[in-house]
Amino acid sequence: QVQLQQSGPGLVQPSGTLSLTCSVSGASLSEYYWSWIRQCPGKGLEWIGYTFYSGSTNYNPALRSRATISADRSKNQFSLELTSVTAADTAVYYCARDWDNGIDVWGQGSTVTVSS
Amino acid sequence: DIQMTQSPSTLSASVGDTVTLTCRASEYIGNWMAWHQQKPGRTPKLLIYKASTLGSGVPSRFSGSGSGTEFTLTISSLQPDDFATYYCQRYTSFTRTFGQGTTVELK
Repeated sequence: QVQLQQSGPGLVQPSGTLSLTCSVSGASLSEYYWSWIRQCPGKGLEWIGYTFYSGSTNYNPALRSRATISADRSKNQFSLELTSVTAADTAVYYCARDWDNGIDVWGQGSTVTVSS
Repeated sequence: DIQMTQSPSTLSASVGDTVTLTCRASEYIGNWMAWHQQKPGRTPKLLIYKASTLGSGVPSRFSGSGSGTEFTLTISSLQPDDFATYYCQRYTSFTRTFGQGTTVELK
């Protein structure tokens, strides 16, 4: 059974960097795509980007300049960094397994607030 | 970038109704369409992938159809547990896009 466990701070200072990690159990990072998705308060789902088995990444064009997704295969973890955050980046952030059969496994969600 | 447009934004229905949600893609996406259900404060759940394949453990009252640019999610005999928000999501061209969601509410 594939499980994703998210970790990271829930409060980030404006203009700072948001950092989250997703630990994967039951599957290898060397298979599948691994995505980050967010949901701002009262809004819909927004795909941020993914890393995939070759180590390559792709991003939402709207966030490409500020987002970095990386993978640590030795720990079977992948991470999100989002720089220069503002209040508009306050959201619930999800990591997820993503492949030809859809985004089928989601992390528990991390509530991140951008505030001083 | 490919845009996904869902309609209606809100749908009022009763238990036992059959409802149909629509999603349109701004460009051809083949059958690379998924549908997710989300309840307030909960993680989304995959219902349908590849436009019409039922996800693991999803009740058979959910069905998906369509290809190209027009897609539908049908819920037959709506159950109390089905009142939620539904998102379509395309997964082509190395990116993903969600629709803005359709909320199915109790009439």
